[in-house]
Amino acid sequence: DVKVTQSSRYLVKRTGEKVFLECVQDMDHENMFWYRQDPGLGLRLIYFSYDVKMKEKGDIPEGYSVSREKKERFSLILESASTNQTSMYLCASRKGPYGYTFGSGTRLTVV
Amino acid sequence: DQQVKQNSPSLSVQEGRISILNCDYTNSMFDYFLWYKKYPAEGPTFLISISSIKDKNEDGRFTVFLNKSAKHLSLHIVPSQPGDSAVYFCAARGNSGNTPLVFGKGTRLSVIA
Repeated sequence: DVKVTQSSRYLVKRTGEKVFLECVQDMDHENMFWYRQDPGLGLRLIYFSYDVKMKEKGDIPEGYSVSREKKERFSLILESASTNQTSMYLCASRKGPYGYTFGSGTRLTVV
Repeated sequence: DQQVKQNSPSLSVQEGRISILNCDYTNSMFDYFLWYKKYPAEGPTFLISISSIKDKNEDGRFTVFLNKSAKHLSLHIVPSQPGDSAVYFCAARGNSGNTPLVFGKGTRLSVIA
């Protein structure tokens, strides 16, 4: 089974901090994605990557950046955390055009 | 504009009965549809999918129906069990292959014992 591992299940950060959310997959998938899930808003795409060093903006990229230096790792960066970035963050990977495998999620609280 | 819509935020069903979760889409270029199930504090897990060349796909207690002319799909769970209580997301993929999935907002299913 593909494993997608998110480094933290729960994080609490202060407003203005730079926050790194890490995601690692172990099946050589080309595509990786970052979503956030909020009540009533579903899953919203932040950024995605088709390959190493490639990145594309999703629907809500403002306030975020990403890094993909190695195929297995896709990092989401909150440049200066704000309270409206409190959310559940979900990483996913995919080989080609098929469905995703998601990580367990990181519940981020910004205070 | 929402391309994938799940108009029912929540649904309650008695154990043993049928659960029907609905999903509508607007983009006629979608060619593959998936359902994901999500428990609290966990990532979504893949449940079942259907290609646009089919109108039905069945896997155990789960069946997905696709009506292309109405741009509508539904997930049937028979019989419903308390462990099915979760949020269900409908997702769609465009026919250019590598594009990201587009998700609906989800429907919270509660199966009452």
